[in-house]
Amino acid sequence: GENVEQHPSTLSVQEGDSAVIKCTYSDSASNYFPWYKQELGKRPQLIIDIRSNVGEKKDQRIAVTLNKTAKHFSLHITETQPEDSAVYFCAAANTGTASKLTFGTGTRLQVTL
Amino acid sequence: NAGVMQNPRHLVRRRGQEARLRCSPMKGHSHVYWYRQLPEEGLKFMVYLQKENIIDESGMPKERFSAEFPKEGPSILRIQQVVRGDSAAYFCASSRREAPNSGELFFGEGSRLTVL
Repeated sequence: GENVEQHPSTLSVQEGDSAVIKCTYSDSASNYFPWYKQELGKRPQLIIDIRSNVGEKKDQRIAVTLNKTAKHFSLHITETQPEDSAVYFCAAANTGTASKLTFGTGTRLQVTL
Repeated sequence: NAGVMQNPRHLVRRRGQEARLRCSPMKGHSHVYWYRQLPEEGLKFMVYLQKENIIDESGMPKERFSAEFPKEGPSILRIQQVVRGDSAAYFCASSRREAPNSGELFFGEGSRLTVL
């Protein structure tokens, strides 16, 4: 089955700086890669996703890049704000099969003033 | 349109008791997924169900755990004879069509099980 690894496990940045979280996946058949944000005690919420037919996607301060050859994808947050502090999870799935998302272990992002 | 509804939000059980967690998907959604999250860990897939069918239960322990999604009513995750290791947050998610082929997975707020 799919295995998703995520780094770093914790990340601290100053407000206004950029944050980068990286994930690798093992199943070359995976073609859908969402990112979820989970605030303390809350449910995971989708913030951006990318499919394997594109290499990059951007939504305001958030961007995701995908390298299919190397089987890794990254989340980039620019101009970080305190409200960006949360745990971020990457995930991967093969939409051609009975689909389930396999999640990474999460990155705890702390944006300091 | 109400989101994915889970209840109870918090459940305390003693070892050996049964826990029943309920999940009502979003209106129009017919696919339900259950994930377990241990403290400070990621989301582990347990089971994927459609109405009256279990599609994939590869992540669910073979013993003590069962799930159903009847024609009428919510999906239920049942844990029999709970042990302390079952303490976790159990998240339900739903999608309109087979996720994630066409739509995002919407998560509920989770049910937090504590086994004493």
